[in-house]
Amino acid sequence: ELKVEQNPLFLSMQEGKNYTIYCNYSTTSDRLYWYRQDPGKSLESLFVLLSNGAVKQEGRLMASLDTKARLSTLHITAAVHDLSATYFCAVEVAGKSTFGDGTTLTVKP
Amino acid sequence: NAGVTQTPKFQVLKTGQSMTLQCAQDMNHEYMSWYRQDPGMGLRLIHYSVGAGITDQGEVPNGYNVSRSTTEDFPLRLLSAAPSQTSVYFCASRETGGSYEQYFGPGTRLTVT
Repeated sequence: ELKVEQNPLFLSMQEGKNYTIYCNYSTTSDRLYWYRQDPGKSLESLFVLLSNGAVKQEGRLMASLDTKARLSTLHITAAVHDLSATYFCAVEVAGKSTFGDGTTLTVKP
Repeated sequence: NAGVTQTPKFQVLKTGQSMTLQCAQDMNHEYMSWYRQDPGMGLRLIHYSVGAGITDQGEVPNGYNVSRSTTEDFPLRLLSAAPSQTSVYFCASRETGGSYEQYFGPGTRLTVT
């Protein structure tokens, strides 16, 4: 059974600081996703990582994938209040996605 | 493009009632899926489909049925609603190749009393 673990589950940051969210998973994957969810809203796709060593960046967010370590990271650079949200990673194997429990990020001024 | 649409947005059912949650996409995506999200948790896959006429079970399929008669539509049927099915339901679609980027509908908030 595929297990996906995110940490931390809750993260409070000061604006301007950097931090990393970790996503560990237990079996070989086909691809890994990162999503953002604002309170009461649907999910927004941030990144899709397809292969070992993949790195993608969008604005202040950068995601990477190490398939040998079964680890993905979401790095936040110089956080701003607008990044406050819950971030999920999800691992897909043979058409089935398993989600982590999410990291709730609060960015304080 | 409307993207992924879901109806209704909200629904209250009594235990034992049945209903169908509708999902449609206009992006010609072969892959569609249904998830449920319980408070404070990630999404859990209920059923998915890789094309018209092809469906398969996800992590939590019990109590739900799906069918895929067209590429555009992927309805989710609750056979006999139970309080444990109170949740927010999301439908999603993506290509089966290319970017694999997944698009989610706005969700249906279901309460079973």
